[in-house]
Amino acid sequence: GAGVSQSPSNKVTEKGKDVELRCDPISGHTALYWYRQSLGQGLEFLIYFQGNSAPDKSGLPSDRFSAERTGGSVSTLTIQRTEQRDSAMYRCASSLGPEVYETQYFGPGTRLLVL
Amino acid sequence: EDQVTQSPEALRLQEGESSSLNCSYTVSGLRGLFWYRQDPGKGPEFLFTLYSAGEEKEKERLKATLTKKESFLHITAPKPEDSATYLCAVQANAGNNRKLIWGLGTSLAVNP
Repeated sequence: GAGVSQSPSNKVTEKGKDVELRCDPISGHTALYWYRQSLGQGLEFLIYFQGNSAPDKSGLPSDRFSAERTGGSVSTLTIQRTEQRDSAMYRCASSLGPEVYETQYFGPGTRLLVL
Repeated sequence: EDQVTQSPEALRLQEGESSSLNCSYTVSGLRGLFWYRQDPGKGPEFLFTLYSAGEEKEKERLKATLTKKESFLHITAPKPEDSATYLCAVQANAGNNRKLIWGLGTSLAVNP
């Protein structure tokens, strides 16, 4: 089937506004991951979902960041009161299960620009 | 602190000129080491997972090897289509941890 999809592909917002980024994983994949990739920086882990629960939220940078996953499928990453330093490429990945041998497949990303 | 360092940052090769990319890591117990390829404007694409020192995996012109401190991605007789950024990541062996620690990548350019 289709790969991981993310929307929007680009988002420009003003400082202080809230934004929602969406990830649609590969059908049947139970594990879902959010990452942030800034210019000159490596991929930064944000949060991991197994089904609808999030056993590892250790990468969320502040309480302005939250994520949810419903129906074991689509996930939404919400950034409240955006700041210019939130500007980055946000990438989602999914895998069949949570084990290390399960390949993570990445989506095309959402490029966020906070003015 | 878990850390991944990749070298060189950038590498330019002539077509057919073999070379190796390095990924050095420090992690509190390795669950797995991953190599990904990333083309401009796209998400990372999985290449290999290595689990224990001495393990090797091959795919076409690429071969990945692993020791207790580093991994190498050997590229044999590269072609221009091998041009990309190659990313290395590790996952620590700790409870519910599923976090991947990523290096900054090696940008490879293969000239025809």
